Amino acid sequence: DAKTTQPPSMDCAEGRAANLPCNHSTISGNEYVYWYRQIHSQGPQYIIHGLKNNETNEMASLIITEDRKSSTLILPHATLRDTAVYYCIVDMRFGAGTRLTVKP
Amino acid sequence: EAGVTQSPTHLIKTRGQQATLRCSPISGHTSVYWYQQALGLGLQFLLWYDEGEERNRGNFPPRFSGRQFPNYSSELNVNALELEDSALYLCASSLPRDSRPDTQYFGPGTRLTVL
Repeated sequence: DAKTTQPPSMDCAEGRAANLPCNHSTISGNEYVYWYRQIHSQGPQYIIHGLKNNETNEMASLIITEDRKSSTLILPHATLRDTAVYYCIVDMRFGAGTRLTVKP
Repeated sequence: EAGVTQSPTHLIKTRGQQATLRCSPISGHTSVYWYQQALGLGLQFLLWYDEGEERNRGNFPPRFSGRQFPNYSSELNVNALELEDSALYLCASSLPRDSRPDTQYFGPGTRLTVL
């Protein structure tokens, strides 16, 4: 069973920030939070990971709450090509993810 | 740097046959993971190999098996194929699991169709 819960779907306007939430209340102290996305049955693409501190790379930012029980993936300027299923993962157990649809 | 590769891209079999799927990890990665993704569903963990040993397996019957070779490539074998085995089979590789973080990188998958 997945150790994370995510909303099943979200919409975002093109050019706006997409904020994808994830709850992981049972996360252990040494477990990382990983984010992947999957576009139309391709292999999942790694986005970002974090342990305690907020992280940023060329794709996204990851905000982790101080108690580590939840996190938010931020795509700062969503494009149509960001439409995908986004998975928040702990201990490599995949849930159903959030289907993000970016609309023009 | 080459990513994870999988072969074949597509595989069509009939019920009762055996299927063999192959995966080559990223150079320097010693861990290989296999996942099954049925149409429209999430990824289900199948098997994890590291340094040639099976480290963990998901909730799948014994007819799902595999191995890892000395060069860290891996095979997934599915015996006595059933219709519900039709799925996308994904392979991922990572540095050794005890390294932190152990980010997994995925291949493009093998689409298995059982008729």
